[in-house]
Amino acid sequence: DAGVIQSPRHEVTEMGQEVTLRCKPISGHNSLFWYRQTMMRGLELLIYFNNNVPIDDSGMPEDRFSAKMPNASFSTLKIQPSEPRDSAVYFCASSSVWDRETPNYGYTFGSGTRLTVV
Amino acid sequence: DAKTTQPTSMDCAEGRAANLPCNHSTISGNEYVYWYRQIHSQGPQYIIHGLKNNETNEMASLIITEDRKSSTLILPHATLRDTAVYYCIVRVGSNYQLIWGAGTKLIIKP
Repeated sequence: DAGVIQSPRHEVTEMGQEVTLRCKPISGHNSLFWYRQTMMRGLELLIYFNNNVPIDDSGMPEDRFSAKMPNASFSTLKIQPSEPRDSAVYFCASSSVWDRETPNYGYTFGSGTRLTVV
Repeated sequence: DAKTTQPTSMDCAEGRAANLPCNHSTISGNEYVYWYRQIHSQGPQYIIHGLKNNETNEMASLIITEDRKSSTLILPHATLRDTAVYYCIVRVGSNYQLIWGAGTKLIIKP
């Protein structure tokens, strides 16, 4: 398995533009998590899905952020309009909810997307 | 929610054992302790986890105290590539989320 795949690796955009980040989870994993990481705030959970359904989006900072998971192999995180304070590294992670009662439970992270909004 | 407390930073000499402590005094009986590390600019990487007993794998050893209120991650022969932020995490609650703290920045010195 190629692991969790995120694209793009780097994104530079101008304030006000729409940004779409993409994630392909590990095949067979049915939980997917979007995180944001900054120096000031560390790793923050934005939203997570179980079986393609959003379970908890309380970490989404505001209405400018939205996330979708149309199928088990793809998710997007969209920011519209983007602002300079959205600059951060965005990570996607996946896990298997079927393992959650077992010691095998854990997250596999992608390499992240470094977003810079100027 | 169970919380963890870790030192902000630590140094260790290359080739020596690195011992990273973690306090989780409010941990409940069925909560696992997980350790991840994040090397600069990469996504966090799983290292090891445990419930009660000490655990060892090819990367590290995990020592959990008998009362489960603290644990220590041991990297037996630290190399420069082990320089990273190490997160001690307790799996929390019915939603099985991993709650991330600030971690310990471990610097391995030649």
